[in-house]
Amino acid sequence: EAGVTQSPTHLIKTRGQQATLRCSPISGHTSVYWYQQALGLGLQFLLWYDEGEERNRGNFPPRFSGRQFPNYSSELNVNALELEDSALYLCASSLVQGRVYEQYFGPGTRLTVT
Amino acid sequence: DQQVKQNSPSLSVQEGRISILNCDYTNSMFDYFLWYKKYPAEGPTFLISISSIKDKNEDGRFTVFLNKSAKHLSLHIVPSQPGDSAVYFCAATDSWGKLQFGAGTQVVVTP
Repeated sequence: EAGVTQSPTHLIKTRGQQATLRCSPISGHTSVYWYQQALGLGLQFLLWYDEGEERNRGNFPPRFSGRQFPNYSSELNVNALELEDSALYLCASSLVQGRVYEQYFGPGTRLTVT
Repeated sequence: DQQVKQNSPSLSVQEGRISILNCDYTNSMFDYFLWYKKYPAEGPTFLISISSIKDKNEDGRFTVFLNKSAKHLSLHIVPSQPGDSAVYFCAATDSWGKLQFGAGTQVVVTP
């Protein structure tokens, strides 16, 4: 069974640009979660999507947004990039809607803002 | 506001001995706790979890203990193996979809 996949692996952008990160969940999983891991910090919850709807959001500004498609894949968009947005962005999926249970993570997208 | 804390950034243990990783939390509404393991260049992988209605959960070499009154949980790995060398994250949840993670503990298992 294929795991969670993310693309691209690495992304380099300049300040003020927009970044789009993509995630495909494990087959059969309907929930997708996004996390940010900045250098030296733990994972910070960004967004949760289930059945195409945004269900929960972390303490991030509105320029962090996303969506979930009918096939349950997801995009994370970061507008007006700032230097401090440089981080590893991890996507996870889970089977059970609502309760967190075990989230299965992808390998991440390393975003570098210069 | 860091509600889940792993105060030991690193831990070195001899192969065959016990590894004990600690995690403290401040939010009494947390009702489910998980441990994840992360190798370099990979995403975290789920290891073991525990509900707040239990105080212990065991899975092979891994045991998680929960002390609700102290708002403390720990992960025991017995015996430690070289493949256990990784970063371990403690996580907790009190609401739908949102896991709160600690900063991680780097475990190094030496021969």
